[in-house]
Amino acid sequence: DAKTTQPNSMESNEEEPVHLPCNHSTISGTDYIHWYRQLPSQGPEYVIHGLTSNVNNRMASLAIAEDRKSSTLILHRATLRDAAVYYCILRENVQGAQKLVFGQGTRLTINP
Amino acid sequence: EAQVTQNPRYLITVTGKKLTVTCSQNMNHEYMSWYRQDPGLGLRQIYYSMNVEVTDKGDVPEGYKVSRKEKRNFPLILESPSPNQTSLYFCASSFLTSGGLNEQFFGPGTRLTVL
Repeated sequence: DAKTTQPNSMESNEEEPVHLPCNHSTISGTDYIHWYRQLPSQGPEYVIHGLTSNVNNRMASLAIAEDRKSSTLILHRATLRDAAVYYCILRENVQGAQKLVFGQGTRLTINP
Repeated sequence: EAQVTQNPRYLITVTGKKLTVTCSQNMNHEYMSWYRQDPGLGLRQIYYSMNVEVTDKGDVPEGYKVSRKEKRNFPLILESPSPNQTSLYFCASSFLTSGGLNEQFFGPGTRLTVL
């Protein structure tokens, strides 16, 4: 199974950009990269996903390395509400099945 | 309101007493999945289903059963619960597109304690 590696924790300041890295060196050509976050006492929440090209949405941007062995989730202007555990996930497409493999997650702390 | 619901939200039971945690979604999603979350281990997938009557194992299926008789429901069954199944459980659902699995919507979680 393809796995992801993320830093255990990161810290940033409010209103500054945050770059959350994820390594997935064993990713296969059909694996999508998904990001979710989990706020305290809540279920995970979808953030963004992509395959090869960089992706943007209202919450964040996803920058994917050219060799696809790593990616970075970018929060352009962090707020206190962005404090959460961020999970980088590979969505494996093995024989048509859709299996998700979660990383350990990065606990993001935002300082006021 | 589009949502994934789980019941019960909290459950304390004893070893060996069969239990079912229900999951229901009102978004007509094809894909549904169960996860467990344990301290230091993050989220691990137990089972998933790509459509009615189609289920498959995730990373930690031992001790669990699922069924998908209707599109909206995906119950998680513990035939003989054991203390190592004490955990926080999440159900999730999603559309399946030509590009595969889309955004997953998660339920609020079920905290299970097996004594």
